[in-house]
Amino acid sequence: QVQLVQSGAEVKKPGASVKVSCKASADTFTNYYMHWVRQTPGHGLEWMGIINPSGGSTNYAQKFQDRVTMTRDTSTTTLYMELSSLRSEDTAVYYCARDARGIVGATLLVLVGSCFDAWGQGTLVTVSS
Amino acid sequence: DIQMTQSPSSLSASVGDRVTITCRASQTIYKYLNWYQQKPGKAPKLLIYDASSLQSGVPSRFSGSGSGTDFTLTISSLQPEDFATYYCQQTYSRITFGQGTRLEVK
Repeated sequence: QVQLVQSGAEVKKPGASVKVSCKASADTFTNYYMHWVRQTPGHGLEWMGIINPSGGSTNYAQKFQDRVTMTRDTSTTTLYMELSSLRSEDTAVYYCARDARGIVGATLLVLVGSCFDAWGQGTLVTVSS
Repeated sequence: DIQMTQSPSSLSASVGDRVTITCRASQTIYKYLNWYQQKPGKAPKLLIYDASSLQSGVPSRFSGSGSGTDFTLTISSLQPEDFATYYCQQTYSRITFGQGTRLEVK
């Protein structure tokens, strides 16, 4: 069973940054692209971007392009999503999710045919003054 | 971005019922439509990918159909564990989700 374990809930003030982590198994880290998705009451599920954990390359959704940074630590097989300049509308549950396509034969620049076959448990980020 | 519109937004049904949820894309997405189930406090779970392929381990009472702009998710005989919210997702042009359909007990 695929396990993606995320960091705990965060409370941040407007204007601050938050960094959410997602620990994956070595197999997932090496062989699959990983996405970040958030869920808000107002906008539902929103795709934020994708990262190749092995190489570190990324592809961000236009909405978050200026504020999001996705990174990884190969020594601990952990992924990170940092969102800056937080505002109240960023209050959401943030998920990491595995792209079922696998890295071989796919590219993170072309998302056609992606589907998310494993998800982290979610991290609640609350932005409040 | 491609807009995904689900209908209905909520649905009341009973155990044993046949249930159909619809998802419409604002432009053609060919077959690149996935369905997820989400229960309260849990992450979404993949049910159907590429419009009609059943994800491994998902009961066969779930099925998907459609292509182009119109898609359906059908549950042939509703079970107690199926009461949840269902989302469609297109992956033809970037990635967007429908707003969800809440399936409730009648």
